[in-house]
Amino acid sequence: QVQLQESGPGLVKPSQTLSLTCSVSGGSVSSGSYYWSWIRQPAGKGLEWIGRIYTSGTTYNPSLNSRVTISVDTSKNQFSLKLSSVTAADTAVYYCARDQGDHFQHWGRGTLVTVSS
Amino acid sequence: AIQLTQSPSSLPASVGDRVTITCRASQGIRSALAWYQQKPGKGLKVLIYDASSLESGVPSRFSGSGSGTDFTLTISSLQPEDFATYYCQQYNSHPDTFGQGTKLEI
Repeated sequence: QVQLQESGPGLVKPSQTLSLTCSVSGGSVSSGSYYWSWIRQPAGKGLEWIGRIYTSGTTYNPSLNSRVTISVDTSKNQFSLKLSSVTAADTAVYYCARDQGDHFQHWGRGTLVTVSS
Repeated sequence: AIQLTQSPSSLPASVGDRVTITCRASQGIRSALAWYQQKPGKGLKVLIYDASSLESGVPSRFSGSGSGTDFTLTISSLQPEDFATYYCQQYNSHPDTFGQGTKLEI
């Protein structure tokens, strides 16, 4: 059974870069069959897909495209999110998930990131 | 981006009720729609994909229907563990988008 676990700082200062890692067990991030995504949810609000990485590249939500980088570390079986120039509007629970380019089959439990000075 | 509008936003219900949640897309998305369940402090769980396909391991009281712009999630007989928030997601057009959620309440 695939399991995903988010980790990273819970507090980031405005204008800095948010960095999170998703550790994957029970499956390989280098598998060509799956995609690996980040999704976020501000408190009391809906879900926003941030982007995904797969063997041939990455795709990002156009609303965040200029600030987002998703990468993979196959040696650690992890994938990561970097979101630059954060503001209070980036405060949210961030989830990592596995998909096949369509629905999200497996999710992490999420990690809260607060942007505040 | 395609907007998904769920209704209602909250739904009072009781154990044993049959409930239906609606998701309407701002433009046609064929059958590229999934439904998720979210409980506090947990990741989301996929229930239905491709509008009407039941994810493996999900109880058969959950069902989905629709295509184009109008979709429904039906729970045939509510169980205590079904009180949660439900979201729809479309993956027909980039970027993937989600509905705003429907909270099932006792």
